[in-house]
Amino acid sequence: GENVEQHPSTLSVQEGDSAVIKCTYSDSASNYFPWYKQELGKRPQLIIDIRSNVGEKKDQRIAVTLNKTAKHFSLHITETQPEDSAVYFCAAGSGSARQLTFGSGTQLTVLP
Amino acid sequence: EAQVTQNPRYLITVTGKKLTVTCSQNMNHEYMSWYRQDPGLGLRQIYYSMNVEVTDKGDVPEGYKVSRKEKRNFPLILESPSPNQTSLYFCASSPRAAANYGYTFGSGTRLTVV
Repeated sequence: GENVEQHPSTLSVQEGDSAVIKCTYSDSASNYFPWYKQELGKRPQLIIDIRSNVGEKKDQRIAVTLNKTAKHFSLHITETQPEDSAVYFCAAGSGSARQLTFGSGTQLTVLP
Repeated sequence: EAQVTQNPRYLITVTGKKLTVTCSQNMNHEYMSWYRQDPGLGLRQIYYSMNVEVTDKGDVPEGYKVSRKEKRNFPLILESPSPNQTSLYFCASSPRAAANYGYTFGSGTRLTVV
């Protein structure tokens, strides 16, 4: 089955700096890569996703890049703000898989 | 509003007393799933359902039951809860029974078994 590894487990950045979270996956059949943000005490919410037919996708201050050859994908947050502080989860899946496989999460702290 | 609704949000119960956590979605999604979230262990899937009357075990199914009699509802049943089932539970749904669509999560149920 699929295995997703996520790094780092914790990340602290100064407000205004950029943050990068990286994930690797094992199953070459995976073709869908979503990212979820979970604020303290709240539900995980989908913030951006990418499919394997594109290499990069942007939405305002967040972007995701995908390298299918190396089997890794990354979340980039620019101009970080205190409200970006949360746990971020990556995931991987495919049309033939029965479930998304989640990474272990990254606690991002944006210091004012 | 499109949403996944879980109830209750908080529940404290005693060991062995059967309980049900309800989950309902109003998006006509085919796929529904239950996760538990514990510190340091991320999101672990308990059970999932590909459609009505089609359910299967996830990664940590022991001690849990589910049913999918209607498309919109997917209750989680703990027939004899134990303290190691104290956790934060999330229901999730997805448009299709394939893992290439995003999940919509419910608000969560914080369960404490004493």
